[in-house]
Amino acid sequence: KQEVTQIPAALSVPEGENLVLNCSFTDSAIYNLQWFRQDPGKGLTSLLLIQSSQREQTSGRLNASLDKSSGRSTLYIAASQPGDSATYLCAVMVSGAQKLVFGQGTRLTINP
Amino acid sequence: DAGVIQSPRHEVTEMGQEVTLRCKPISGHNSLFWYRQTMMRGLELLIYFNNNVPIDDSGMPEDRFSAKMPNASFSTLKIQPSEPRDSAVYFCASTLWAWDRNTIYFGEGSWLTVV
Repeated sequence: KQEVTQIPAALSVPEGENLVLNCSFTDSAIYNLQWFRQDPGKGLTSLLLIQSSQREQTSGRLNASLDKSSGRSTLYIAASQPGDSATYLCAVMVSGAQKLVFGQGTRLTINP
Repeated sequence: DAGVIQSPRHEVTEMGQEVTLRCKPISGHNSLFWYRQTMMRGLELLIYFNNNVPIDDSGMPEDRFSAKMPNASFSTLKIQPSEPRDSAVYFCASTLWAWDRNTIYFGEGSWLTVV
C-alpha cells in the first residue's frame, strides 16, 4: 500500500529565505507526483506535476524534483514571500490506477 | 473556464438526515473524483469515475455512502443516514485522463457538519 509522508508538518521562516519541503513515498511504481497548494477554507491548486520519467519541473520561483528510486521529492521555493503562506501537499498517482495518494501536508508560514 | 463547481459550500445537518453533495466537473474532463478531508486522516479518495462509470469505490467508508454520475457534467455523493463522524470537507475533482498528463483540478469543497 502506497504511503506518502511529508516533513516537516509545519515550517515558519522569514520573508526572502529559500526553503525546501520534503515528500517521501513507499512504492516507486508511480505515474507521476504532484505538488498542490491549499489555502485555508479553499480547495487544492495544482502547482507542479512531474511525470515518473522526469527528474524535475520548474514554475516561476518553484522547483520540484523527483527521485523515484529513493522514493523522494522536494519542493524548492526561492525568495519566499508572505503570499506563499499556505499548506503544501504532495501526492503520487499510483501506477495502474487513477488514484492520488496524498501526504498530510506541510503548513508553511512566511513572516514579513 | 468556471472550474469544478460544488454545492452546497456549507451544510449543517442533524444526525440521521440524508445529505446530498453535488459536483459539476470541468467541461471536457473524463475523470471525476470524490475526496474527503479531515484533520485526523488527511485527504482520502472515496470513489472515482471514468467516462461516467465508477471505477474504484474501495474508499467509500460504508453502505451509508453512495455516489452517482448520470452524465458527464454532474455527479452526486449521498450520505444516508448521516452521522457526526461524517463531518468533514468533501472535495470533488476532475481531470482529462491521459497517461502523460493528469493535472487534477479541485473544487472549493463542501463543508459538512453533522450534529
